[in-house]
Amino acid sequence: EDQVTQSPEALRLQEGESSSLNCSYTVSGLRGLFWYRQDPGKGPEFLFTLYSAGEEKEKERLKATLTKKESFLHITAPKPEDSATYLCAVRFYTGANSKLTFGKGITLSVRP
Amino acid sequence: ETGVTQTPRHLVMGMTNKKSLKCEQHLGHNAMYWYKQSAKKPLELMFVYSLEERVENNSVPSRFSPECPNSSHLFLHLHTLQPEDSALYLCASSQEHFSSPLHFGNGTRLTVT
Repeated sequence: EDQVTQSPEALRLQEGESSSLNCSYTVSGLRGLFWYRQDPGKGPEFLFTLYSAGEEKEKERLKATLTKKESFLHITAPKPEDSATYLCAVRFYTGANSKLTFGKGITLSVRP
Repeated sequence: ETGVTQTPRHLVMGMTNKKSLKCEQHLGHNAMYWYKQSAKKPLELMFVYSLEERVENNSVPSRFSPECPNSSHLFLHLHTLQPEDSALYLCASSQEHFSSPLHFGNGTRLTVT
């Protein structure tokens, strides 16, 4: 059973058309939720860390929010250069240690 | 050089070859990781080194052998691989803290023929 689920799998937007990407998780004992951006042929690039429900972080056209069971990455007026795969990862307690679990990613395509 | 550097970027090897992947981090971090990325699947953690000691091995087959000679360098030695091992292998580093994000290299695209 997936502990971190991202939806939709793929999203195609017109330039300027705002939307949101979802990351839901079923784990308890959240220690942090991370968003990454991955361009083709490159490694994931760190975007944000969120720690507690109600927290928000912003960077240019991106805004990440967190509730008790999910996070949203809101993209306002996207541009073609925002096209990439967006990964979500959740760190949670596993007794004495913590574990980082990734979702499968959301492929975003923004058409000019 | 800054960040996390991986070499080679691409590697094609036969099932009987022996090769090594190299990773170097210039961020002053004390933890390093190997991940496997396959299409349509989440990133899979393979190995974790903290302060040059292996602290996690996620049931990875013995044909993958990691080595961490110091806190800045990490290797993944490969031998007798299978075609299903073809994937993007990513190295990452972080501070040894639960809230510290991982910083990734650009990966090695491995093809096993």
